[in-house]
Amino acid sequence: QLQLQESGPGLVKPSETLSLTCTVSGGSISGGDYYWNWIRQPPGKGLEWIGNVYFTGGANYNPSLKSRVIISLDTAENQFSLKLTSVTAADTAVYYCSRAVRVWGQGTLVTVSS
Amino acid sequence: DIQMTQSPSTLSASIGDRVTITCRASQSISNWLAWYQQKSGEVPKLLIYRASTLENGVPSRFSGSGSGTEFTLTISSLQPDDFATYYCQQYNGLSPWTFGQGTKVEIK
Repeated sequence: QLQLQESGPGLVKPSETLSLTCTVSGGSISGGDYYWNWIRQPPGKGLEWIGNVYFTGGANYNPSLKSRVIISLDTAENQFSLKLTSVTAADTAVYYCSRAVRVWGQGTLVTVSS
Repeated sequence: DIQMTQSPSTLSASIGDRVTITCRASQSISNWLAWYQQKSGEVPKLLIYRASTLENGVPSRFSGSGSGTEFTLTISSLQPDDFATYYCQQYNGLSPWTFGQGTKVEIK
């Protein structure tokens, strides 16, 4: 059974870079025609799609975040990652990773604060 | 970019009611639409994908319909476990994916 698990710092300082990793178990990240996604949800607000990376490595981003986001695959580690630069308090959210629409991680809260 | 407009934003209903939530896309997305249910503090749960395909284990009182730009999620007989927030999401290939704003289903 495919499982995804987000990991990374729970606290990031303003203006720094938020870095998260999604570790995939129970299946290969390069073993199929899938989009691997990052989604976030600020406290008390709705879901926001951040971007995704295709199994070939090509990435696609939310236009509102595109200038600050990089999503990449690490097939050797069976992981994919999110980097969000120049963070502010508005980037405080629960961050989820997913495979397409059907399999989601449990989410990790990232707080941006000094 | 494709915008998703979900309505209503809040819905008050009683147990046993038939409930319908609508999602409109700013351009055609064929049937690349998913519906999720989210309860407070929980991971969104996939209900419907490809606009009308029920995810494994989801009760049959949930159904989805539509294609192109107009989509609906229907709960045929609202149950106590269904009070939650519902989101639509378009996932039209290489276009940026987007979520609707959410619909909170409350007890009337």
